[in-house]
Amino acid sequence: SAVISQKPSRDICQRGTSLTIQCQVDSQVTMMFWYRQQPGQSLTLIATANQGSEATYESGFVIDKFPISRPNLTFSTLTVSNMSPEDSSIYLCSVEPLGGGEQYFGPGTRLTVT
Amino acid sequence: TQLLEQSPQFLSIQEGENLTVYCNSSSVFSSLQWYRQEPGEGPVLLVTVVTGGEVKKLKRLTFQFGDARKDSSLHITAAQPGDTGLYLCAGLRSGYSTLTFGKGTMLLVSP
Repeated sequence: SAVISQKPSRDICQRGTSLTIQCQVDSQVTMMFWYRQQPGQSLTLIATANQGSEATYESGFVIDKFPISRPNLTFSTLTVSNMSPEDSSIYLCSVEPLGGGEQYFGPGTRLTVT
Repeated sequence: TQLLEQSPQFLSIQEGENLTVYCNSSSVFSSLQWYRQEPGEGPVLLVTVVTGGEVKKLKRLTFQFGDARKDSSLHITAAQPGDTGLYLCAGLRSGYSTLTFGKGTMLLVSP
């Protein structure tokens, strides 16, 4: 397994601003992912954070809106840019240390945009 | 079209009752995971099944993977309030590196 921490745990931001969310893992992992989740609903994959190269974005998500950094195998950031109320959600990072789909999730960042 | 159909979406039961949650697809999965998520926390991995027909037990929870690896079920015996949470199934298709999640089942167990 892996222990994952996220900062901040929650934030309230104004429309038009940007927020950067940090994800720290206690061990080196190749596969790291960023998800979005509305409370009580399922997860939507935003992108795969690749170390040493650009992130791989899913359909409907673009780099200009959700830039991702992955400077090493234990850390990643997701920025939510030029926020609108529609970006209010829970943002989760996850890792897959052993492959095969077994992912371990951080506690999430609850973002509210006013 | 949802690739993984999960049912029911919401379930409210009394402590001591049994329940089953279903996860169905027309696609074949090389592995399938079940997660439980409590409010304010990230999903926690409960089990992974990889072999068609496989049955795994985790205390009062029984997980089954369909013979054709297209569906799975989670059965909880004698549910307790501590079982309350959002249950998510997720599958990995061959040739893909990302998980497909079902819509989730919100379970509420009342004392």
